[in-house]
This record gives sequence, C-alpha cells and structure tokens, in this order.
Amino acid sequence: QKEVEQNSGPLSVPEGAIASLNCTYSDRGSQSFFWYRQYSGKSPELIMSIYSNGDKEDGRFTAQLNKASQYVSLLIRDSQPSDSATYLCAVNRRTGNQFYFGTGTSLTVIP
Amino acid sequence: IAGITQAPTSQILAAGRRMTLRCTQDMRHNAMYWYRQDLGLGLRLIHYSNTAGTTGKGEVPDGYSVSRANTDDFPLTLASAVPSQTSVYFCASSVTGTGGADTQYFGPGTRLTVL
Repeated sequence: QKEVEQNSGPLSVPEGAIASLNCTYSDRGSQSFFWYRQYSGKSPELIMSIYSNGDKEDGRFTAQLNKASQYVSLLIRDSQPSDSATYLCAVNRRTGNQFYFGTGTSLTVIP
Repeated sequence: IAGITQAPTSQILAAGRRMTLRCTQDMRHNAMYWYRQDLGLGLRLIHYSNTAGTTGKGEVPDGYSVSRANTDDFPLTLASAVPSQTSVYFCASSVTGTGGADTQYFGPGTRLTVL
C-alpha cells in the first residue's frame, strides 16, 4: 500500500467551476498535510498546509482534512486556466521528518 | 534573492561516470532533502539531513551519497551513474527538520540523463 494515494486524473473542469482534488494516506499517525502545485517543467510550490480536522480556506483554495477517514482534499473555487497544473498531496508522518508525496493529479481548466 | 539554487540545470552523463549535483540555500534552514521525480512514481526521497553534520536515508538511497558540511550546502553524488538514475532531481529545505508543521520549499531542479 502506498503511503499517499491520489487519483492521477486527468481532471478537466470548465473555467469558473469548482475543482475537487482528493488524497488518502495510510499512516494514521500522520500529523501534517500539504498541497503543492507543479507546473510542467517547474518545481513544486506550496499552496496549502493543514494540520487539524476540518476546513482551511485561503482565497480560492480550501483544504479539508478528515483524520478518521485518512482523507485530505483540495477545492479550487472559480477555477482559472492558470490553475492548470499537477497537484501533489504530501504527508509528514509523526515519526521522523520524512515527507511522502502522492503521484499527483493533473488538472486542466478549460476556458 | 533568498531561496534554493541547484546546479547544473541539466546534464547528460555517460554511464559509469561520477556526478555531483549541487544544492545551496540561503534561508538558514536546518533541514535539506534530495528527491527524484519520475513519471508515474511521483517525488521520492533519496536522502535528507535534519541539521548540518547529520544525514539520513530516504526511500530510494541506493547509488547516491550526500554530505552536509555546513548549513547552506547539500551536494548529492552519484558515484557511478546508471541509466535508471535518469530523472529530475529536486533539492528542498525546511526550517526545523523536526516534522510537524515544518514546510518544505523546493529548488528549481536538475534534469539528469544517463546514457
């Protein structure tokens, strides 16, 4: 079982719609969760971090965490073509300082 | 400009050659990391260092070595490159290296091709 699993997509949404990206993780002791955006040929850049159950909002982005279900999601409201990228979910386990990344979900926002 | 720099940007290397990928950060972060990114496999941790003078093995350490002589630099060495080491390599750093809320920031990457 992989540490972090994401649907690889591709996910396509029309401009202005809500894009929903999902991630599950295997280690129940994980304590920190991150969403990174990666444009083609570029390095990952941090979008959101979340540490507690519930929702965390930052502009058009909302991260949702459910530790009981070992599930974390990212919602992008009013999707823009510039949001087209691969979104990586990352988890930091309780033990050690090793981040585990999902393989990423490719998102395309269609104008 | 604060951040992480990596060199070279890209490299084509003959199998069996030795290669060192350089990574420097000027944010005074304690922890540094090396990842490789391959299509379909995502980012995989090669080695990490939670503080200067210490290193640890990640998920895929075989064929790679690292050193951390000071806070700023974290070079990755391929002693004898093989084609399966063809990948994009990212260096990253984080403030504390103690887990929890520690966030990783990435360098621009090095694209390495081993023939």
